[in-house]
Amino acid sequence: AQSVAQPEDQVNVAEGNPLTVKCTYSVSGNPYLFWYVQYPNRGLQFLLKYITGDNLVKGSYGFEAEFNKSQTSFHLKKPSALVSDSALYFCAVRDHTGRRALTFGSGTRLQVQP
Amino acid sequence: DADVTQTPRNRITKTGKRIMLECSQTKGHDRMYWYRQDPGLGLRLIYYSFDVKDINKGEISDGYSVSRQAQAKFSLSLESAIPNQTALYFCATSDTGTSVYNEQFFGPGTRLTVL
Repeated sequence: AQSVAQPEDQVNVAEGNPLTVKCTYSVSGNPYLFWYVQYPNRGLQFLLKYITGDNLVKGSYGFEAEFNKSQTSFHLKKPSALVSDSALYFCAVRDHTGRRALTFGSGTRLQVQP
Repeated sequence: DADVTQTPRNRITKTGKRIMLECSQTKGHDRMYWYRQDPGLGLRLIYYSFDVKDINKGEISDGYSVSRQAQAKFSLSLESAIPNQTALYFCATSDTGTSVYNEQFFGPGTRLTVL
């Protein structure tokens, strides 16, 4: 069975500092990985995905993620955090068959302090 | 995303009552999904549908049923609601026309409280 782990319930960073939100996965075959963001009282919004190709994926709002196959990780990063980045972030994985829906991690709350 | 709508947005009901949550989409997507979100657990898949005639159970389908009335509509029913079904429920859609790995688009959610 496929699974995703987000080891940090919350990440705190100061505005202007780089941020990293961690994600590791387990799946048979090639992984297809996604990051979503949830703002208060809103549904999830897609940020970026890795299907194949370059290990560094760029997405919305200046976010990027690095795929590392040997470490089975897909960490979300941003060079300079904004207060408006404060939200709940979810990593998700789908297996290579495409028949399964996404499996989500438990979420990491990002708090960016002014 | 305004293209995926959910009704009602909030609902309070009593144990044992039947309740239906509705999802409609104008995106023309073929796949639709129902998730529930609980604090600390992330999103867990209840049911998903690849088209009107293809409905699949997710990881937590017990106590729930679904109906795909049309490509654009996917309803979730709780036949006899219980308090541990209190959660935030999300509908999502995706389009496999160009890729089976396209991202999902989420509705705004329905907050359900079962007393």
